[in-house]
Amino acid sequence: GQQLNQSPQSMFIQEGEDVSMNCTSSSIFNTWLWYKQDPGEGPVLLIALYKAGELTSNGRLTAQFGITRKDSFLNISASIPSDVGIYFCAGQPYNNNDMRFGAGTRLTVKP
Amino acid sequence: DTAVSQTPKYLVTQMGNDKSIKCEQNLGHDTMYWYKQDSKKFLKIMFSYNNKELIINETVPNRFSPKSPDKAHLNLHINSLELGDSAVYFCASSQDPGGAFFGQGTRLTVV
Repeated sequence: GQQLNQSPQSMFIQEGEDVSMNCTSSSIFNTWLWYKQDPGEGPVLLIALYKAGELTSNGRLTAQFGITRKDSFLNISASIPSDVGIYFCAGQPYNNNDMRFGAGTRLTVKP
Repeated sequence: DTAVSQTPKYLVTQMGNDKSIKCEQNLGHDTMYWYKQDSKKFLKIMFSYNNKELIINETVPNRFSPKSPDKAHLNLHINSLELGDSAVYFCASSQDPGGAFFGQGTRLTVV
C-alpha cells in the first residue's frame, strides 16, 4: 500500500511558539487530511484538503495540499497547552474507500 | 448523540477465545472502516466497506471477519485470539468526499 512519511516524529516546544509538520508520499493522493488524537480517544478530523495547492485554515491551524499532490503540511500558530497530542496526516488515493495514515507527530507544549 | 459508537470500550480475554466488537454510525455515511492502532500509535487500515460491500481487506489474517448487516453497522469478529492481537481497534465512517469520523476505540488485551 501507499507509504506516508510524516515528520518530525516528536516536537517539544514552548507555549506561544509556532509548529510545522509535514507528510510526503511516493504516490499521488486525491485528498489530504489532518487529524489530532488525544489520549484514550479516537482521532478527530482537523482539516480536509481536496485540491492541489489548496490552503485551508481552521483557527490557529493552517494546512496545504502540495502542488505535486504528494505532500502536505500543517502549521499551528501560537501554540497553547491543549495543543498537546498526536497529529496524524492521512491520504486518500482515489476516493474515501481507502485512507492511509502517517506515523504521527507527538507534540508536547511546555507552559 | 455519539456519531460513531463502538462497544465494548475495553476487552480483556484469554488466548484462543473468540470475541466481537460492534460499531454503529448515525451519520448516514456510506463508507465504514476498521483500523488497528499498535503500541507505537501507528494506525493501520484493516477493512473498508462501502454500502455493505467489502472494498479493502488489507492482508488481515482470516481469523478477523468483518460483517456489515446494513450500511450503519460494521462489526468485527475475531476467532482464536492471539497475544499479538492486543491493540486498540478503531471503527470509523466517512462520506465521499470527506474525512472520517472515528469511534472512541476498543482496547483489546489478550492474556
